[in-house]
Amino acid sequence: DGGITQSPKYLFRKEGQNVTLSCEQNLNHDAMYWYRQDPGQGLRLIYYSQIVNDFQKGDIAEGYSVSREKKESFPLTVTSAQKNPTAFYLCASSPLNQPQHFGDGTRLSIL
Amino acid sequence: DAKTTQPPSMDCAEGRAANLPCNHSTISGNEYVYWYRQIHSQGPQYIIHGLKNNETNEMASLIITEDRKSSTLILPHATLRDTAVYYCIVRVAGLTGGGNKLTFGTGTQLKVEL
Repeated sequence: DGGITQSPKYLFRKEGQNVTLSCEQNLNHDAMYWYRQDPGQGLRLIYYSQIVNDFQKGDIAEGYSVSREKKESFPLTVTSAQKNPTAFYLCASSPLNQPQHFGDGTRLSIL
Repeated sequence: DAKTTQPPSMDCAEGRAANLPCNHSTISGNEYVYWYRQIHSQGPQYIIHGLKNNETNEMASLIITEDRKSSTLILPHATLRDTAVYYCIVRVAGLTGGGNKLTFGTGTQLKVEL
C-alpha cells in the first residue's frame, strides 16, 4: 500500500541524548514536512523539503536537524539542544502545490 | 491565512449525517477551504478542499456559501470510526515549501454515538 511510514511509534530519550525519527514515503511526493504537536495544540512546522538534498527551516527549527538524501526519506534528529522535546511528531508529504498527507506520528518522551 | 471559527464539540447518531460548520468571514478571494480530521493519537487525515463550488468525494461533501463566509462539511452516514477532531483551514492553494504549512486551530470534536 502507498503511504507514509513513521517509526518508531513511541520513543524515549535520556537527557543529553540525540534521537532520530524515521519518515519514509512511497507516494513519489516531492515535498516532505516535519511538524510538532503538543497536547491540545495545533501543528507547528519544524523543517520542510521540496527536493532531494535541499531543506528549509520552519517556525521552530532550533534543536532539530534533518536530511533529505533520498526522495522517499526525510529523517528528523532531535538533538540535546532541544530543551523541551516531549511531543507528538508528525511527518507529512505532498506533491508540490497539493494537500499534505500525514503519517501516524512518533510520540517522544524524556526519561 | 484567514481565521476560522468552529464549534468546540458536536454529537451525531451513527448512520445519520454529520454536518460540521465553519465560519471564515474574512476569507480572501484566492483562499481555499480545507478540511482535515485527526483521530486520537493518529496523524491528521486530509478530507476535502474547495474554492467556491460545492465539492464531493468518497469521504465527504463540502458546501460553501455563495458569499464564501462559511462552509459545512457533511459526512453523509457517520460511523463510530468518524469520531475525531475536525479542522477547517482557510489558506491560499498552490503554495510550496513553508508557504504550504498547515496551521490547525482547535477544531470540532465530533462524537458519533450508537
